[in-house]
Amino acid sequence: KQEVTQIPAALSVPEGENLVLNCSFTDSAIYNLQWFRQDPGKGLTSLLLIQSSQREQTSGRLNASLDKSSGRSTLYIAASQPGDSATYLCAVRNQGGKLIFGQGTELSVKP
Amino acid sequence: ETGVTQTPRHLVMGMTNKKSLKCEQHLGHNAMYWYKQSAKKPLELMFVYSLEERVENNSVPSRFSPECPNSSHLFLHLHTLQPEDSALYLCASSQDFLGRGAYEQYFGPGTRLTVT
Repeated sequence: KQEVTQIPAALSVPEGENLVLNCSFTDSAIYNLQWFRQDPGKGLTSLLLIQSSQREQTSGRLNASLDKSSGRSTLYIAASQPGDSATYLCAVRNQGGKLIFGQGTELSVKP
Repeated sequence: ETGVTQTPRHLVMGMTNKKSLKCEQHLGHNAMYWYKQSAKKPLELMFVYSLEERVENNSVPSRFSPECPNSSHLFLHLHTLQPEDSALYLCASSQDFLGRGAYEQYFGPGTRLTVT
């Protein structure tokens, strides 16, 4: 059974810092991995999707990496801003088609 | 704006009420999903519809009844719910469900349900 774990559960940093969020999964037989952002009480916004054959994806200040064999992904946020404060969710799409989510990392960027 | 809308955004209902949640996608997708998000727990997949057929039912109690009348609309009918069913209910859609494609999922804003 696929399990997705995100570390840390919460993170508080001062504005301007670079930071890394971690995601690990137990079964490497995945189609892709997706990083989402969720603001309090809101739905999910897709940030980046990495196919199983890819190593990384970049969008603006965000860079996501995937090491499928070791079951790990990281989300790197450069020059963090208060507007980046949100919960970040990692999800893997298994070969049955389902998305399996981690519990998220709650990020707070202080001005 | 993701192209997926949900109504209502907030719902308070008693345990004996019957209500429905509605989801609509404007993306031309073939697959639609219902998820439940409870406090401090990962998102749980409830149902998947692909081409208007239910393809996944993740051991969800019968007091939740989904309906997909066409590829753009998805409903979740609720009856005799319990207080522990209070949660954020999220709808999502993707181009397709099975196969090796990217099939990025797009989420609606959710319905915050409180059962009293």
